[in-house]
Amino acid sequence: DGGITQSPKYLFRKEGQNVTLSCEQNLNHDAMYWYRQDPGQGLRLIYYSQIVNDFQKGDIAEGYSVSREKKESFPLTVTSAQKNPTAFYLCASSISSGRSEYEQYFGPGTRLTVT
Amino acid sequence: SQQGEEDPQALSIQEGENATMNCSYKTSINNLQWYRQNSGRGLVHLILIRSNEREKHSGRLRVTLDTSKKSSSLLITASRAADTASYFCATGAMEYGNKLVFGAGTILRVKS
Repeated sequence: DGGITQSPKYLFRKEGQNVTLSCEQNLNHDAMYWYRQDPGQGLRLIYYSQIVNDFQKGDIAEGYSVSREKKESFPLTVTSAQKNPTAFYLCASSISSGRSEYEQYFGPGTRLTVT
Repeated sequence: SQQGEEDPQALSIQEGENATMNCSYKTSINNLQWYRQNSGRGLVHLILIRSNEREKHSGRLRVTLDTSKKSSSLLITASRAADTASYFCATGAMEYGNKLVFGAGTILRVKS
């Protein structure tokens, strides 16, 4: 059963703690992406990776970090430096981000609440 | 700033009616995609239209692209209650390094 999985679906943390969101895909896609979605808004790109061991900052990378040690996995760490971390986080993958003319496949999302 | 801007922000129609959503963008693109998101879920790809195409169909979906006006429209014909969702356009452009840039979306509610 191919697809993208994100875990957990809901995550609660105290302010000042780092938290890591999981994203795994078995689609054999080269490119993976992390987006943030706030209520009533579209998706904003946090980080993306075109290939293993390489990643680039998106539009709102401050306060976040990622790694891409395996093709299948692209975890996102929300650090204590992120001023407003409460949001819905979406992971996606595509065949290649060298060209945008490929659809992106999305995971079910993780809703992070920081209090 | 966001590349795509959807209009209207929200749309409420009766089952069986057609729903039209519009997307405008600012710079030249090489493709435009439409995605659907059910509440609290991930996005699902609906259709991709390239800059050299004017119209594409997929089932009850019809997408048009007018590059001279920098706009696209998504038409859902004979809507169903199950079409209730948010719809996003996303643009791909050389200016953005071929990443997709998403608009804020249109919330569609289909009443049965």
